Amino acid sequence: GAVVSQHPSRVICKSGTSVKIECRSLDFQATTMFWYRQFPKQSLMLMATSNEGSKATYEQGVEKDKFLINHASLTLSTLTVTSAHPEDSSFYICSARLLGASYGYTFGSGTRLTVV
Amino acid sequence: AQSVTQLGSHVSVSEGALVLLRCNYSSSVPPYLFWYVQYPNQGLQLLLKYTTGATLVKGINGFEAEFKKSETSFHLTKPSAHMSDAAEYFCAVSESGATNKLIFGTGTLLAVQP
Repeated sequence: GAVVSQHPSRVICKSGTSVKIECRSLDFQATTMFWYRQFPKQSLMLMATSNEGSKATYEQGVEKDKFLINHASLTLSTLTVTSAHPEDSSFYICSARLLGASYGYTFGSGTRLTVV
Repeated sequence: AQSVTQLGSHVSVSEGALVLLRCNYSSSVPPYLFWYVQYPNQGLQLLLKYTTGATLVKGINGFEAEFKKSETSFHLTKPSAHMSDAAEYFCAVSESGATNKLIFGTGTLLAVQP
């Protein structure tokens, strides 16, 4: 149980275009989703926290106008990288918080974004 | 503020040897602690977690960790390494209560030599 499906797994886009990454909770309702960015051989850096039906909370230094997060339903959260540049190339991972007896965090499989 | 320190960015062990990956945390309130494993180009898989109760936690694939409040540690161990254990391991902490952000350590890359 508690599976988060993340798509696409890989995407290549041209500089200046926008890319949308989707995360869906398949068998539970995710009231809170987290978005992380991971550079090669580095740890996960939290970008933002999104709660269903409200605006995302961004970590310091993360451009909210570049990384648009939408969490319009309890099963879907999206991250849109707008006007992408090569420096936005990275591995993006979403995570949903689980409550109750199963308290914890379940992760999507990640999206490798390459901007050319 | 919460933080996690993982000593040793690279650890190499022989197959069959003890695995010990170190994690120390700082938190102003009782923490929830997690160990995750990541294989290349994949998401994170939960190995084990500590929230409350027994301080020795057993996880999947033969891993276990002990929460030691006096040492602010949550080291991960496995008695006998297997080749398939080679991966990146992350320790993470979240605060109990409303904040709930998960903060990661820098990771430890485990290599298992035949």
